[in-house]
Amino acid sequence: DQQVKQNSPSLSVQEGRISILNCDYTNSMFDYFLWYKKYPAEGPTFLISISSIKDKNEDGRFTVFLNKSAKHLSLHIVPSQPGDSAVYFCAATEANAGGTSYGKLTFGQGTILTVHP
Amino acid sequence: DSGVTQTPKHLITATGQRVTLRCSPRSGDLSVYWYQQSLDQGLQFLIQYYNGEERAKGNILERFSAQQFPDLHSELNLSSLELGDSALYFCASSAGQGRYGYTFGSGTRLTVV
Repeated sequence: DQQVKQNSPSLSVQEGRISILNCDYTNSMFDYFLWYKKYPAEGPTFLISISSIKDKNEDGRFTVFLNKSAKHLSLHIVPSQPGDSAVYFCAATEANAGGTSYGKLTFGQGTILTVHP
Repeated sequence: DSGVTQTPKHLITATGQRVTLRCSPRSGDLSVYWYQQSLDQGLQFLIQYYNGEERAKGNILERFSAQQFPDLHSELNLSSLELGDSALYFCASSAGQGRYGYTFGSGTRLTVV
């Protein structure tokens, strides 16, 4: 039961162009979404997040868009740089039934981004 | 350096054996999380501890157990190891409940032969 899906295992982009990484989710209780970046031999590092009350969040070259009706989010990187080459994971959290949240992140399988010089 | 320390970095062991993975959270963080990443898989949530108490549990096998000690470091114990347990095991920590994300360590790569 894959509640968060990243259907593109890999993406190749030219330096300076836009990278768009996509993520779909099925659990309507998810209300906070995060993107993590992972380099080889390192742990995932937090990149950007968005609450379900927003449809866009921007941080420098990184913008996350959320379409709740479609249960879809995307990460845009503009302009892409070779140092952005990494695995990108989409993740989601939900408030538990008791109203207080706990910290389980549900991750997608990841997308390998390669930015060519 | 994320501030979350995991040891050992690599571990090779035989089927049927038992291993212990250790995690020291960032200074001041009360929550510790364990995740498993198998080949070509996303990170699978195993378990969360908050200030010494189990707070949330994922698809953790009965052969696996974890605890968080008074000094807030955590250990993940894997027993009766099988080939399929070979994976990267990540620990993460957060100050609170981690709802808005947390900091990961660099992982322990376990190889069961």
